[in-house]
Amino acid sequence: DAKTTQPPSMDCAEGRAANLPCNHSTISGNEYVYWYRQIHSQGPQYIIHGLKNNETNEMASLIITEDRKSSTLILPHATLRDTAVYYCLPKGGSQGNLIFGKGTKLSVKP
Amino acid sequence: GAGVSQSPRYKVAKRGQDVALRCDPISGHVSLFWYQQALGQGPEFLTYFQNEAQLDKSGLPSDRFFAERPEGSVSTLKIQRTQQEDSAVYLCASSSGHFYYGYTFGSGTRLTVV
Repeated sequence: DAKTTQPPSMDCAEGRAANLPCNHSTISGNEYVYWYRQIHSQGPQYIIHGLKNNETNEMASLIITEDRKSSTLILPHATLRDTAVYYCLPKGGSQGNLIFGKGTKLSVKP
Repeated sequence: GAGVSQSPRYKVAKRGQDVALRCDPISGHVSLFWYQQALGQGPEFLTYFQNEAQLDKSGLPSDRFFAERPEGSVSTLKIQRTQQEDSAVYLCASSSGHFYYGYTFGSGTRLTVV
């Protein structure tokens, strides 16, 4: 399974864009990049995933580099409720377990 | 229900006691996962069911851990003779089987062994 590297923590001002990077240089060709977040005392929440094209949904945007070795999750207008640990996880398209690293703890400050 | 439901929310067990943790997945979800999360760490995989079949139990840390999903819906994670190192949050996730939608997690059961 591909290994990921994420910064342990980041701060962001409320209302500004939060850009969370992830390195996944060993990702294989059939693995998608998934992002989940975990708000304190809750289970992880699915945010978005992509293969090689950039993706956008109501929660976030995902930018994947052309070589697929890294990606960036963008929260365009961070709010205090976006304070959470964000996990980047490469995963194949079939059902199977998710392998979580330590993630990035994002603190959104007023 | 609308989400994955886990009970109890909190459980305190004396060392050596047996515990049973319940997961009610989203109705119709064929896949069900159990994870263990220690304080300050990411969730770690324990076991995976597709309907009633346990397809992967490679993450169960010892033979004291046992999971079942007899009718392909509700699942129970049982821990026998609990030890202090079993103290953690136990998370359950379910999926429709279509990878596009991601997995839906419950809020977990926090187990404290004293």
